[in-house]
Amino acid sequence: GAGVSQSPSNKVTEKGKDVELRCDPISGHTALYWYRQSLGQGLEFLIYFQGNSAPDKSGLPSDRFSAERTGGSVSTLTIQRTQQEDSAVYLCASSYLNEQFFGPGTRLTVL
Amino acid sequence: GENVEQHPSTLSVQEGDSAVIKCTYSDSASNYFPWYKQELGKGPQLIIDIRSNVGEKKDQRIAVTLNKTAKHFSLHITETQPEDSAVYFCAASQGTGTASKLTFGTGTRLQVTL
Repeated sequence: GAGVSQSPSNKVTEKGKDVELRCDPISGHTALYWYRQSLGQGLEFLIYFQGNSAPDKSGLPSDRFSAERTGGSVSTLTIQRTQQEDSAVYLCASSYLNEQFFGPGTRLTVL
Repeated sequence: GENVEQHPSTLSVQEGDSAVIKCTYSDSASNYFPWYKQELGKGPQLIIDIRSNVGEKKDQRIAVTLNKTAKHFSLHITETQPEDSAVYFCAASQGTGTASKLTFGTGTRLQVTL
């Protein structure tokens, strides 16, 4: 069946611009997560949504980062006024219970 | 919050040998421990997981052990093959039976040589 999909696969932007990253979770999965993976590093939790509950935003590094999940399905991660340190791979995952299934990620490069 | 440490950062083994990767966690409330394999340019793929009510779990050539008292868990790969070469991540969360964020280790790059 279809897995988690993310778009775009690559995004190059200039410092100061806003970017939007999209995640389509596996159908039926009630939880959706965003993680960030800097070059050669582990995965850093950003935010997660669980059903209709308020999202856990405890991992967002600054107020330039925000995310929403519309209709309990698709999610968009928005980074405003991008900085060079925002360059990383942004990974989305979804789950029904514990097991999280990851998408291929969006590689963001801020010039 | 939870902190997960992972060792070694790189591991090179000959084909057919075993590989062991070890992780420790800090939060005794953590109760779910997955392992992920990440190949170049791809997202992490879940390969095996263990819950805190179990001490060991095996799936073909892969096994995971958990010591709750010592707060450490390990991944064992036997009869390694070249296709096992990848980066492996351990993780921990508090969400048995429910969704919960994962705290990841820093990864182990495994290289299986012929």
